[in-house]
Amino acid sequence: EAQVTQNPRYLITVTGKKLTVTCSQNMNHEYMSWYRQDPGLGLRQIYYSMNVEVTDKGDVPEGYKVSRKEKRNFPLILESPSPNQTSLYFCASSFGNPRSSYNSPLHFGNGTRLTVT
Amino acid sequence: KNEVEQSPQNLTAQEGEFITINCSYSVGISALHWLQQHPGGGIVSLFMLSSGKKKHGRLIATINIQEKHSSLHITASHPRDSAVYICAVGTSGSRLTFGEGTQLTVNP
Repeated sequence: EAQVTQNPRYLITVTGKKLTVTCSQNMNHEYMSWYRQDPGLGLRQIYYSMNVEVTDKGDVPEGYKVSRKEKRNFPLILESPSPNQTSLYFCASSFGNPRSSYNSPLHFGNGTRLTVT
Repeated sequence: KNEVEQSPQNLTAQEGEFITINCSYSVGISALHWLQQHPGGGIVSLFMLSSGKKKHGRLIATINIQEKHSSLHITASHPRDSAVYICAVGTSGSRLTFGEGTQLTVNP
C-alpha cells in the first residue's frame, strides 16, 4: 500500500532532550516536506527536499534540522527541543514539485503530536 | 495580511445543501491544492489545479488565476463531509503556503 509513515504518533519529552521524528515513503517520491500545525496558525512548512541531499528551509525552520540521505526517508531532528515546539507535525511527499503545474498531489503521514515540557 | 486567505473560517450546513469555500491568494502561483483534514487529524489531498475546474464525485474545485481566487464546492453535502478544508499555494521555489482552514460541519 502506498503510504507515508511517520513515527512516533505521540511523543512527550523534556526541554533540551534531542529527538528525531522519522518519515518514510514507499512511492519513490522526489519531494518530501515537514509541516507543523498550531491552532490559529494553520499548517506551516518547516523544511522540504526536492531530492537526495537537497534540502531547503520553509517558513519556520528555526530549531529544526533535516537530512535526506536516501530518497525514501526524511527525518526531522530537534537538537534541543523547547516548549514552543509543542505542536502537531506532518510529513508529506509528492512525485514532483507541488508548485508545478504537473499533477503532484501531496501524500501526508498520520501526524506526530509532540509535547515538550 | 496572510498570503492565503480562506473564507469562511467556520461553516455549518444542513445535509443536502450546496457548500462553497473560498481561497484568495496574493502571490503568483502555478498550482493550488485543496486538502481535507478529518476530525481524527489525517490530511488527504482533494485537488491540485493550475487552471479551470476539476471534479471528483460531489466535489468541484475551480481556480481563476487572473483574480487569484479558488473555490471548493460540495454538492449534496453529507455529515461525512464534516472536516477542515485547507487551501495551499506554491510560492517561491518549492515552498507551500497554507490558508488557516475552513471548519465545515454538516448536520443531518
